Amino acid sequence: GAVVSQHPSRVICKSGTSVKIECRSLDFQATTMFWYRQFPKQSLMLMATSNEGSKATYEQGVEKDKFLINHASLTLSTLTVTSAHPEDSSFYICSGEGSNQPQHFGDGTRLSIL
Amino acid sequence: QKEVEQNSGPLSVPEGAIASLNCTYSDRVSQSFFWYRQYSGKSPELIMSIYSNGDKEDGRFTAQLNKASQYVSLLIRDSQPSDSATYLCAVQIPSGSARQLTFGSGTQLTVLP
Repeated sequence: GAVVSQHPSRVICKSGTSVKIECRSLDFQATTMFWYRQFPKQSLMLMATSNEGSKATYEQGVEKDKFLINHASLTLSTLTVTSAHPEDSSFYICSGEGSNQPQHFGDGTRLSIL
Repeated sequence: QKEVEQNSGPLSVPEGAIASLNCTYSDRVSQSFFWYRQYSGKSPELIMSIYSNGDKEDGRFTAQLNKASQYVSLLIRDSQPSDSATYLCAVQIPSGSARQLTFGSGTQLTVLP
């Protein structure tokens, strides 16, 4: 089946640090990648949708200057949380979708900002 | 009204029983429906997709879709303790070039040995 690799799996860093999360589709071309955030005991909330080679589309309430998304190729998308603060601590999950492929999720990144 | 609604549970069933998970959605143009399983601290794993009315079976899992009633369900036969997880219902609504998933809040299932 389709595999999406997400790295790193866990980040602990100080407030003010910028954190970069990578999401790779390993065995299919992900024309669209999605970034989600999940707080404890809540469902996944879509943050943004990115298509290869174009600017990401952000959901309402998500700051595009804080959450920088790059989707430079059909197999790689990155999310950079700039100047992270404790309220940004969450579980960040990416997913990739290709032609005739439902969304497959990466393993997630647990971000803890001290 | 939430776009995708699930009973949050928790739902407890004994080992070997049938677990029934339900989901309703509000947007009639929804075309694709998915069930994901999420273990605590892990990301969701796709277990079933269904696109047309009726039943779809895969091993111990059966997805049922009724578009007229805007209802989709998941049955797990011969439930095992390893099935204990949160089950997320997701609905895909085509919108331009993006096919976003909208998730329900999930149903927590516990299978008791």
